[in-house]
Amino acid sequence: GAVVSQHPSWVICKSGTSVKIECRSLDFQATTMFWYRQFPKQSLMLMATSNEGSKATYEQGVEKDKFLINHASLTLSTLTVTSAHPEDSSFYICSAAGTFQETQYFGPGTRLLVL
Amino acid sequence: EDQVTQSPEALRLQEGESSSLNCSYTVSGLRGLFWYRQDPGKGPEFLFTLYSAGEEKEKERLKATLTKKESFLHITAPKPEDSATYLCAVQPGAGSYQLTFGKGTKLSVIP
Repeated sequence: GAVVSQHPSWVICKSGTSVKIECRSLDFQATTMFWYRQFPKQSLMLMATSNEGSKATYEQGVEKDKFLINHASLTLSTLTVTSAHPEDSSFYICSAAGTFQETQYFGPGTRLLVL
Repeated sequence: EDQVTQSPEALRLQEGESSSLNCSYTVSGLRGLFWYRQDPGKGPEFLFTLYSAGEEKEKERLKATLTKKESFLHITAPKPEDSATYLCAVQPGAGSYQLTFGKGTKLSVIP
């Protein structure tokens, strides 16, 4: 149980384009979903927290107009990187937590490369 | 501000050579301390949650323990497939359910 998927696993795009990443909880309802980014040899940095049907809460320093998060259902959250630039290249990982929100289960991650 | 420090940064063990990884933390209250395993290019895989000092949990060759200031992940007779980065994270006792992660310990088990 507690399986979280992400799509796509890899994406390469040109500078200035937008990229959408999907995060799905496959066998449980995710009250809360979290989005992280991870640079090489660094730990996970929380970008934002989203609750189903509510606006996402962004961490300090994360541009909410650049990283659009939608949590439209209890099993799906999306992260859209708008007008991507090379500095946005990173490993993006989502996690999902159920009703009791204690344990976060992570997706496999999406590697984004912006040329 | 919540802080998590993991040591060592990297650890090389011979197959069968037991050892421990350390996670020191400061947090305003503690709802839970979490251990995850992360393989290269993958998302973290949940291992354990510890809630109070003195608690211990085991899974195969791994055993996690918790005190008021630190947690240990003991690895008994490791195998090459245990090679991964092990992440520790804390969840504060009040407010949001966010996790603060340490930088991880990269474990390499040599056959």
